Amino acid sequence: SQQGEEDPQALSIQEGENATMNCSYKTSINNLQWYRQNSGRGLVHLILIRSNEREKHSGRLRVTLDTSKKSSSLLITASRAADTASYFCATGTASKLTFGTGTRLQVTL
Amino acid sequence: GAGVSQTPSNKVTEKGKYVELRCDPISGHTALYWYRQSLGQGPEFLIYFQGTGAADDSGLPNDRFFAVRPEGSVSTLKIQRTERGDSAVYLCASSLTGGVNTEAFFGQGTRLTVV
Repeated sequence: SQQGEEDPQALSIQEGENATMNCSYKTSINNLQWYRQNSGRGLVHLILIRSNEREKHSGRLRVTLDTSKKSSSLLITASRAADTASYFCATGTASKLTFGTGTRLQVTL
Repeated sequence: GAGVSQTPSNKVTEKGKYVELRCDPISGHTALYWYRQSLGQGPEFLIYFQGTGAADDSGLPNDRFFAVRPEGSVSTLKIQRTERGDSAVYLCASSLTGGVNTEAFFGQGTRLTVV
């Protein structure tokens, strides 16, 4: 079963613009992670934010977490064509990650 | 190796046949996970190994699915009497120690097509 839902399901922007993706989840969490997937194959870990953190940065990525609303957002600043991919949020327990349904981001030149 | 390796990258099999999917985790990683991803969906958890033992197999859909990791390194996911609904990308991931806040490294997956 899917834990979370990403919003929007698909997003198309021009290079240089910012992209914001949102994730909602259902149960209490220890952490929330964001992953990127190219061409429907391997996933790449982007960033992990713990339940006691509210915001985290990594390069052009900014993640926020609001545990009271059970939601998180991923902001990609100054997007590039190479950022085109699917982005998934995932909540972690000791034994597994539970993924959302993903946002498909298209960055055009 | 440098990353998680999965073989084969693609597998086409006939309905009712048996298949084995292999995962070579990153050397030294004790935790290994199998996920399944259908088109347009996020990955869904199947099973988690800590060392040689299956610590959580709650995601295996039925008894046609089985996975082993006999020496705590390479893992094999086995599917008996395949059905068309088993068609998906099967992803393997490993992490250094497992646990709540560790990063998982994914392989490129095996795309299984049951015809």
